[in-house]
Amino acid sequence: GAGVSQSPSNKVTEKGKDVELRCDPISGHTALYWYRQSLGQGLEFLIYFQGNSAPDKSGLPNDRFSAERPEGSISTLTIQRTQQEDSAVYLCASSLDGSAGDLGQYFGPGTRLTVT
Amino acid sequence: GENVEQHPSTLSVQEGDSAVIKCTYSDSASNYFPWYKQELGKRPQLIIDIRSNVGEKKDQRIAVTLNKTAKHFSLHITETQPEDSAVYFCAASSRNNNDMRFGAGTRLTVKP
Repeated sequence: GAGVSQSPSNKVTEKGKDVELRCDPISGHTALYWYRQSLGQGLEFLIYFQGNSAPDKSGLPNDRFSAERPEGSISTLTIQRTQQEDSAVYLCASSLDGSAGDLGQYFGPGTRLTVT
Repeated sequence: GENVEQHPSTLSVQEGDSAVIKCTYSDSASNYFPWYKQELGKRPQLIIDIRSNVGEKKDQRIAVTLNKTAKHFSLHITETQPEDSAVYFCAASSRNNNDMRFGAGTRLTVKP
């Protein structure tokens, strides 16, 4: 079946502009995660959605970052007034509900964001 | 919250040798420990995982061990091959809230 998809694959934007990144998780996965990965660095947790529960936003670096998952499937990560330090690969992952057998996260291909 | 530490940050081995990567975690409630492999320019891929009711799990040349008392777990790769060269991430999560935290990664280089 289809894996996690993300769009766009690449995004170049000017400093100060807003951007929207999209993630379409694996069908049936109720948990969705956003991570940020700077060049050569590890995975920085941003936000986590689990079903209809309130999202865990503890990883969002500042109030310019926000994310939604309005119907429990597709998620959008929005970065307002982008800064050069926002340049990174933004990875989305999804997994089954924690009560199910498989807890593994499956990653999308990422969106490479470059802020000029 | 959970804090995962991973060592070493870089590891270079000769083809055919074994490689071991170690992680520690802080939250005693964590009970699921996956390992991810990320090749250059690609997404992380789940390669093996272990739950807290098991001490060791093997899959061909890859094995993971877990010591719940000491709160550490390790990835063992035997008979390494050049295609094993990648960055490996460990992670830990709690079944209750299904959040997951990653280690900083280990860059493994297997020299032919």
